[in-house]
Amino acid sequence: EPEVTQTPSHQVTQMGQEVILRCVPISNHLYFYWYRQILGQKVEFLVSFYNNEISEKSEIFDDQFSVERPDGSNFTLKIRSTKLEDSAMYFCASRGGVSTDTQYFGPGTRLTVL
Amino acid sequence: AQSVSQHNHHVILSEAASLELGCNYSYGGTVNLFWYVQYPGQHLQLLLKYFSGDPLVKGIKGFEAEFIKSKFSFNLRKPSVQWSDTAEYFCAVITYSGGYQKVTFGIGTKLQVIP
Repeated sequence: EPEVTQTPSHQVTQMGQEVILRCVPISNHLYFYWYRQILGQKVEFLVSFYNNEISEKSEIFDDQFSVERPDGSNFTLKIRSTKLEDSAMYFCASRGGVSTDTQYFGPGTRLTVL
Repeated sequence: AQSVSQHNHHVILSEAASLELGCNYSYGGTVNLFWYVQYPGQHLQLLLKYFSGDPLVKGIKGFEAEFIKSKFSFNLRKPSVQWSDTAEYFCAVITYSGGYQKVTFGIGTKLQVIP
C-alpha cells in the first residue's frame, strides 16, 4: 500500500538555525499538509498546499515558515530561524483530489531545537 | 471556528475490558468525523471515519464509533480491548471551506491496556 514518507526521522538543531523537513506524499495525491504536535499537546494544523500554492495556513505558520514542492515528488517545510518552541513532531499528510478523500499521514519528523 | 473535545486524557484498562472514548465537537455546519490511532513510535493511522449514512461506523481491529448529531458526539468503542490496543487515540473533525479540507484534532486520549 502506498504511504507518505518523511525524512529525517529526528532532527536536532541549534536555535536560530534553518531546518528543512522533507516529505514524499503519495504519488497521485494533489493536496498536501503539514501538522505539528508539541509533546503532550494535540496535533495542530500548520498549512495546506494545492496546485503549487498555499491554500490555507494557521496562525502558527508565520513568516519563519515556508513550504515548497520543488519537484514532482517532494514537499518540504522550512523553518528559517528555529526557536526553542519549534521543538515538536512534524507530520506531513496528503490526500487525493476528491474532497472527501482521507488524509494519509507520514511517520513524522521529531525536531529538537537546543 | 470548530473545536474537538476529548474528555479522557489517560485511560487504563485491563485486557478484555470494554472501551468507550468520548469525543464531542463544536461546529455549526456539515462535518466529517474521524478517529486516528498512534501506536508507540508510529505515525497516525486512520481507525475509522464517518461521512454520511449509517451513524454506526465500524473500523479496523474491532473498533466502532457512533455519530450522534443531536449530541455533537462521535464516541469510540470496543467491546474487549487487547494489550496491542495500547496507543494514543485522536478524534478529528473535518470541515470544508471553498472546497478545501481542514482537519481539527482533539487533544488525544492515551489508552494503556494492562495484560
